[in-house]
Amino acid sequence: KAGVTQTPRYLIKTRGQQVTLSCSPISGHRSVSWYQQTPGQGLQFLFEYFSETQRNKGNFPGRFSGRQFSNSRSEMNVSTLELGDSALYLCASSLAGQNYEQYFGPGTRLTVT
Amino acid sequence: SQKIEQNSEALNIQEGKTATLTCNYTNYSPAYLQWYRQDPGRGPVFLLLIRENEKEKRKERLKVTFDTTLKQSLFHITASQPADSATYLCALKGSGGYQKVTFGIGTKLQVIP
Repeated sequence: KAGVTQTPRYLIKTRGQQVTLSCSPISGHRSVSWYQQTPGQGLQFLFEYFSETQRNKGNFPGRFSGRQFSNSRSEMNVSTLELGDSALYLCASSLAGQNYEQYFGPGTRLTVT
Repeated sequence: SQKIEQNSEALNIQEGKTATLTCNYTNYSPAYLQWYRQDPGRGPVFLLLIRENEKEKRKERLKVTFDTTLKQSLFHITASQPADSATYLCALKGSGGYQKVTFGIGTKLQVIP
């Protein structure tokens, strides 16, 4: 069974631009969560989607948004990028929709200059 | 506010010894607690889950304890090997409704041959 895939793996953007990251969950998994990981803050929860509905949202500004498609694939978007948005963005999928075991992708390394 | 604390300092132990990592939490009523392993540049990998009504869980050389009175989980790796060197993250999910999963910042374990 293929694991969670994320594209792109690396991205360099300029302040003020916007970016879209993509996540394909493990086949059959309906829950997708997104996290931001930085050395100082660790893994910070962004949002969780289940069956195309956002079920939970972390404490991030409205510049961070996401969506989930009918095939469970998910995208997250960050508008008006700031230097502080530089981080590893991780996507995780789970089977039960209650995040029992989360399977993480390799992440997208975003650098904002 | 809810807080998860892991010893952010690296833990160095000799090969063959038992490594013990600590996860403390405050202002939380977790439904369950998980431990993940993360290697540099990769997404976390699920190791073990322990529910609020369980005291101990084992998997091969791994053992997790959960004390909801002390608000603490201990993660043990027996007969540690250099290949166990990684960062270990604890994660809690609150009880009731659709709660997000909150991660600790992780403890870096270095097993010295």
